[in-house]
Amino acid sequence: QVQLQESGPGLVQPSQTLSLTCAVSGGSISSGGYFWSWIRQLPGKGLEWIGYIYYSGSTYYNPSLKSRFTMSVDTSNNQFSLKLNSVTAADTAVYYCARDRHSSGYSEYYFDYWGQGTLVTVSS
Amino acid sequence: QSVLTQSPSASGTPGQKVTISCSGRSSNIGTNNVNWYQQLPGTAPKLLIYNNDQRPSGVPDRFSGSKSGTSASLAISGLQSEDETDYYCAAWDDSLHGVVFGGGTKLTVL
Repeated sequence: QVQLQESGPGLVQPSQTLSLTCAVSGGSISSGGYFWSWIRQLPGKGLEWIGYIYYSGSTYYNPSLKSRFTMSVDTSNNQFSLKLNSVTAADTAVYYCARDRHSSGYSEYYFDYWGQGTLVTVSS
Repeated sequence: QSVLTQSPSASGTPGQKVTISCSGRSSNIGTNNVNWYQQLPGTAPKLLIYNNDQRPSGVPDRFSGSKSGTSASLAISGLQSEDETDYYCAAWDDSLHGVVFGGGTKLTVL
């Protein structure tokens, strides 16, 4: 059973950089066939997909979001990370990592395993 | 404002069948597969239905999904009190080039 666990600071000051890590257990990121996504849930419920990373390091970011996000992968520690720079209060959300399964043309796209989520509050 | 449109709330009585709808466009539901997630309070979303009508292992067959045109539906039969929670639809959007979600439907079991 694949498990994901997010970690990172719960409080970040405005204009600073948010850094989150997702540790994967029960399966290897390097085994291939899966992608690894970040999703956030803004206050009041809305879910927003941030993007995905493959074990090779290739990434895809949601074009609808401003390009302040950076994802990276650490296969030796079986984890992947998310950085968000120049944070504002609008970035306050619960951040989830998830295992991402999609077809090459994206017609099939779903998240089958999720981390428990980590609340990040942007405030001075 | 979410790209996929869901009614904010739905309700039913125990044992009843309820349907939650998700409306989109040709660029998302009209072309791509729809997935449904169940989110219990204080927990992460859980995959409930994928590729329109497929249930992951462990999901009761009381839950079913369907798609027609630019709309999709999640049906829950034999409603139970434990089904009272939030449900979200999602799909890839070819115009926005990303995964889009519905705003969520809160199901109340009366």
